[in-house]
Amino acid sequence: AQSVAQPEDQVNVAEGNPLTVKCTYSVSGNPYLFWYVQYPNRGLQFLLKYITGDNLVKGSYGFEAEFNKSQTSFHLKKPSALVSDSALYFCAVRVLGNTPLVFGKGTRLSVIA
Amino acid sequence: DTAVSQTPKYLVTQMGNDKSIKCEQNLGHDTMYWYKQDSKKFLKIMFSYNNKELIINETVPNRFSPKSPDKAHLNLHINSLELGDSAVYFCASSLQGNNQPQHFGDGTRLSIL
Repeated sequence: AQSVAQPEDQVNVAEGNPLTVKCTYSVSGNPYLFWYVQYPNRGLQFLLKYITGDNLVKGSYGFEAEFNKSQTSFHLKKPSALVSDSALYFCAVRVLGNTPLVFGKGTRLSVIA
Repeated sequence: DTAVSQTPKYLVTQMGNDKSIKCEQNLGHDTMYWYKQDSKKFLKIMFSYNNKELIINETVPNRFSPKSPDKAHLNLHINSLELGDSAVYFCASSLQGNNQPQHFGDGTRLSIL
């Protein structure tokens, strides 16, 4: 069965500094990997996905993520954090077939001015 | 211009009651989902429908019954509500395919007294 680990419950970063939110996954077969963001009292918003091809994926709001097959990781990054990036971030994985999208437990990002 | 809309936004009710949550999407998607997010923000799939057919049912008690009258709607009916049903329920939709991103509604916060 597929699973996702987000090892950090909380990440704190100063505004203007680079940020990284970590994600590792475990699947049988090739993964489809996603990052979503959730603001308070809102639904999840899609940021980016890796399906195949280039390991560096660019997404919304200046975020990017790097797929690393050997380390089974898909870390989310941004070169310069904004206070408005403060939110709950979810990594998710899916494989082929009638399988569900499986989410990590989420990482709360706080960007401090 | 709301993409995925759920009603009601808040639902407060007594244990043992029966309640329904409605979901509609205007994105032209053919796949819809129900998720449960618990108090620790852990997100888990409950059901998935494709073209009105149930394709994923993740060990949800049979007190929960989804109904899809057409591709744009997926409603959730819950019988005999229990304290443990208190959570935020999210509806989502996507194009068909496991590599497609999902679009989420803003959730229905269910509180059982």
